[in-house]
Amino acid sequence: DQQVKQNSPSLSVQEGRISILNCDYTNSMFDYFLWYKKYPAEGPTFLISISSIKDKNEDGRFTVFLNKSAKHLSLHIVPSQPGDSAVYFCAASAWGNTGNQFYFGTGTSLTVIP
Amino acid sequence: KAGVTQTPRYLIKTRGQQVTLSCSPISGHRSVSWYQQTPGQGLQFLFEYFSETQRNKGNFPGRFSGRQFSNSRSEMNVSTLELGDSALYLCASSYRQGATEAFFGQGTRLTVV
Repeated sequence: DQQVKQNSPSLSVQEGRISILNCDYTNSMFDYFLWYKKYPAEGPTFLISISSIKDKNEDGRFTVFLNKSAKHLSLHIVPSQPGDSAVYFCAASAWGNTGNQFYFGTGTSLTVIP
Repeated sequence: KAGVTQTPRYLIKTRGQQVTLSCSPISGHRSVSWYQQTPGQGLQFLFEYFSETQRNKGNFPGRFSGRQFSNSRSEMNVSTLELGDSALYLCASSYRQGATEAFFGQGTRLTVV
């Protein structure tokens, strides 16, 4: 049972425009959310995170929005650059969990067209 | 500061064999988690080790096992390999349990033929 879902396997955006990547989750106990970026032949690298006590977190060109009532989060990249082309995974965890188990989505492959 | 190191990077094994993968976490990190990545399935959690003890386990058969050593290095073992075990196996380390961020290695690409 996939508790974190990324329903768009791929997304293409023109350079300079906004990229919006979406993620839905089903477990209401999740209270910490992360986005990872993955290039081919490399491991995922941490991009940005958000706690459930917030609805927005911004870091440079990257902003994550959280809508708890809809169990939905999104990653906005503005402006998009060709170097942003990668697979983006969202992940969720429950604080107070005894372990470091993150639940990942299946990923969205972003292509930024120059 | 060196990152998470996984060895080997690539591995080809025959069905029925067993395999051991290795992960060296970032210095000072005591939590090591393992994930399996297959096309269309995202990253599936295998297990997590902290202070040489398995703290959390995902929904994988008993053929998948692991351990952690006193220096926090971790190994993952898969016995009686099946074709469906072909995947990218990723290791992630964190400073402590319940940390809000994990740092991933480059992964080991296992192909079972």
